[in-house]
Amino acid sequence: NAGVTQTPKFQVLKTGQSMTLQCAQDMNHNSMYWYRQDPGMGLRLIYYSASEGTTDKGEVPNGYNVSRLNKREFSLRLESAAPSQTSVYFCASSERLGPNEQFFGPGTRLTVL
Amino acid sequence: DAKTTQPTSMDCAEGRAANLPCNHSTISGNEYVYWYRQIHSQGPQYIIHGLKNNETNEMASLIITEDRKSSTLILPHATLRDTAVYYCIVRNYGGSQGNLIFGKGTKLSVKP
Repeated sequence: NAGVTQTPKFQVLKTGQSMTLQCAQDMNHNSMYWYRQDPGMGLRLIYYSASEGTTDKGEVPNGYNVSRLNKREFSLRLESAAPSQTSVYFCASSERLGPNEQFFGPGTRLTVL
Repeated sequence: DAKTTQPTSMDCAEGRAANLPCNHSTISGNEYVYWYRQIHSQGPQYIIHGLKNNETNEMASLIITEDRKSSTLILPHATLRDTAVYYCIVRNYGGSQGNLIFGKGTKLSVKP
């Protein structure tokens, strides 16, 4: 079991470029999440997907789009990257919404110049 | 969701118990208390959660006061690898959202 995997691990973009962060889980979880973490801060939720075919906004969705491609995969897209989106991005999954644990991936470190 | 208050940092001697406090005085009856930790640059790791009763697992114990306004995470025999930022999170699962709201946490330094 690989758990939650994320690609790429590191990425540098120029302002205005677009990219997609990939996330996959092999635990047959229904729910998946995207968070961002800025230096010295806790995590903030960007988007989440309660189950395959559904997505909902979190605390900081502006500038991002997501796709729940299937039960395993949940991607995050930056259409026009801005320096304010420089951050570490974490994907997570859980069996379902509700009082159960979330499993996190290793993160993608994104720098926008 | 109830807000939580944690000390910014704490030190603990290796082999001793680490007791990490969390205040959540505005917690409501259907809100759970969660603890996660984040070791430098890694993704957060789930530790434990509880509603009313004290909980114990292979990693830690969670003590919740009777009025539920505060809790303590106990790492019984801290090791150097327990050095991390520990997050106390209170979450209501009555609605449809499942996200965890992370604050700044407590930076625990375990020293030899």
